[in-house]
Parts: sequence; C-alpha cells; structure tokens
Amino acid sequence: DQQVKQNSPSLSVQEGRISILNCDYTNSMFDYFLWYKKYPAEGPTFLISISSIKDKNEDGRFTVFLNKSAKHLSLHIVPSQPGDSAVYFCAASAGQGGSEKLVFGKGTKLTVNP
Amino acid sequence: GAGVSQTPSNKVTEKGKYVELRCDPISGHTALYWYRQSLGQGPEFLIYFQGTGAADDSGLPNDRFFAVRPEGSVSTLKIQRTERGDSAVYLCASSLSTSSYNEQFFGPGTRLTVL
Repeated sequence: DQQVKQNSPSLSVQEGRISILNCDYTNSMFDYFLWYKKYPAEGPTFLISISSIKDKNEDGRFTVFLNKSAKHLSLHIVPSQPGDSAVYFCAASAGQGGSEKLVFGKGTKLTVNP
Repeated sequence: GAGVSQTPSNKVTEKGKYVELRCDPISGHTALYWYRQSLGQGPEFLIYFQGTGAADDSGLPNDRFFAVRPEGSVSTLKIQRTERGDSAVYLCASSLSTSSYNEQFFGPGTRLTVL
C-alpha cells in the first residue's frame, strides 16, 4: 500500500519553462513534506520542504504547494534549467508522532531540454 | 564539511553469505537512518537510531537484518544469509536530531548485488 504516490514516472520540459511535479498521499497523519533531488550514483539531496500548517513555501526557483484537503502537493520549478534534470522524490513524515522516518514516492524523472 | 560517507560503494556477494555495510554520519548528527532503494522504487525506511539506541526498527524486513551504532556515531548494517531479493542500494542518512523538521542528509549509498 503506497502511502506516497508520484503517478508520473517521467516529465520532459523545455529550458526556461515551468516544471510541475505532483505527489499524492493517503496518510492523514503526515505533517511534514519534503522534496529530494537525485542524480545517478549519488544519494538524494534535500531540495525544499513544507509543514502541514502552511500551504506554500518558496525558495528561489522552487516552490512547493500543499493542498491538505486533497492530500496533494506539487513542486514548481521556474524557470527550468538543464541542470535540474534528475529524479525528484516526494517524501512525507509523521513527525509529531516522534518518528521522523521518511516515506518516499517512487520518483519522477525530470528532463529539461536545452 | 564532510558529508555522510558509506563503504563500500559496491558489494557483490553470493547467496547465503554475510555482509556488513558501514555508514559514517555527519559529525554532530545524533540521528542516523538506514533506507533501502530497489530498482524503480523510492527509498524505503529500514531503521533509525537516536544516539546509540535503535528508536524504530519497524522497517527491517526480517531477522536476517540487524544494525548497530555502538558509540553513537558510525553505524553498521548487517545482513545474514543474503538472498537475491536483498539486492538494492542501501542508503544511510543523518540529521541533527529526531525532532520534527530536521533535514536528513543522505550518503551516496552502497550498491549490494547478491548473485
């Protein structure tokens, strides 16, 4: 039973355009959400996060939106750059429960074409 | 500064053998996590430590898997009687503490192949 779902295995966009990566979750106990970026042969690298008390968090070109009622979050990258090409993982935790283990989606491979 | 390091980077073993995978967390990080990533999947939680103790080992798939962190720093993941299904990338992460909203920093992983 996948608690965090990324239904698009891949996404291709043109340089300079917006990339939108989507994530859905089923566990209402999740209160903290993160996006990680992963290049081949490297570990995941933290990108941006959002607490469940917020609906938006922005950091430079990256913005994460959270819709709690729909149990949906999205990552917007604008403008997209070729160096953004990587696999993006959505992750969630139920931190208030005292366990910070992360539950990951399967990832979306983003390709930004020059 | 130095990030999370894992050794070996690659490990090939035969079915039935015993393996140890090592993780060196970022200095000063009290929380340490092990995840496993199979092909086409996201990382899957195995176990986490707060200091020397295993605070949550609910992700360990069976009793062939065991992890230790005797001095609250380096951790070793031990797999007995390896099976082909154990083949995966084993990722280690560390964070400052297990209070909420602390970023987990990941190492590059150990790719385990069981023949």
